[in-house]
Amino acid sequence: DAGVTQSPTHLIKTRGQQVTLRCSPKSGHDTVSWYQQALGQGPQFIFQYYEEEERQRGNFPDRFSGHQFPNYSSELNVNALLLGDSALYLCASSPYSGRKNIQYFGAGTRLSVL
Amino acid sequence: GQQLNQSPQSMFIQEGEDVSMNCTSSSIFNTWLWYKQEPGEGPVLLIALYKAGELTSNGRLTAQFGITRKDSFLNISASIPSDVGIYFCADLSGTYKYIFGTGTRLKVLA
Repeated sequence: DAGVTQSPTHLIKTRGQQVTLRCSPKSGHDTVSWYQQALGQGPQFIFQYYEEEERQRGNFPDRFSGHQFPNYSSELNVNALLLGDSALYLCASSPYSGRKNIQYFGAGTRLSVL
Repeated sequence: GQQLNQSPQSMFIQEGEDVSMNCTSSSIFNTWLWYKQEPGEGPVLLIALYKAGELTSNGRLTAQFGITRKDSFLNISASIPSDVGIYFCADLSGTYKYIFGTGTRLKVLA
């Protein structure tokens, strides 16, 4: 049973560029959340997708957008990259009907903005 | 963003020692989760706590949900080198998102 998978594992971009990160949820999970983890910090919630719609959003600007596909996989897009967007981006999946919506995390995509 | 406060920030201990770390919040929480994150990996769930006073073990790990619902602790007994990592507490804020603590970095000296 594959867990949460993310791609790519590492990415280097320059300021002003756009980036797309991808996530495949754990089998049986239909809800995907995205988190940003800056170096030395805990993960910060970006948004969550369920039934192909954004269900809740954290304190992130509109440059951060996402999408969920019918097969429950998800993309995170970041436009007009800033140096401060350099971080580990984590995807987490959970079953909508699962107990307390426990989330399972992927290994993340390390984004470096130069 | 909002975060839970964890202490200590970092620990260096000898293999075989017991470890204790805690997490506090100014708000009442309904769920306490403890995750471990190793370099290059995402957080992995260790223990989930759902009611005040609950004490739960997972192997050498033991965690408790504080009676006031504003704190939790995690103990690791007889530490081993593979316990190295960053330990995060987290709360399921509302239904959808986790609020993570600041993390406790554990290093075990053989």
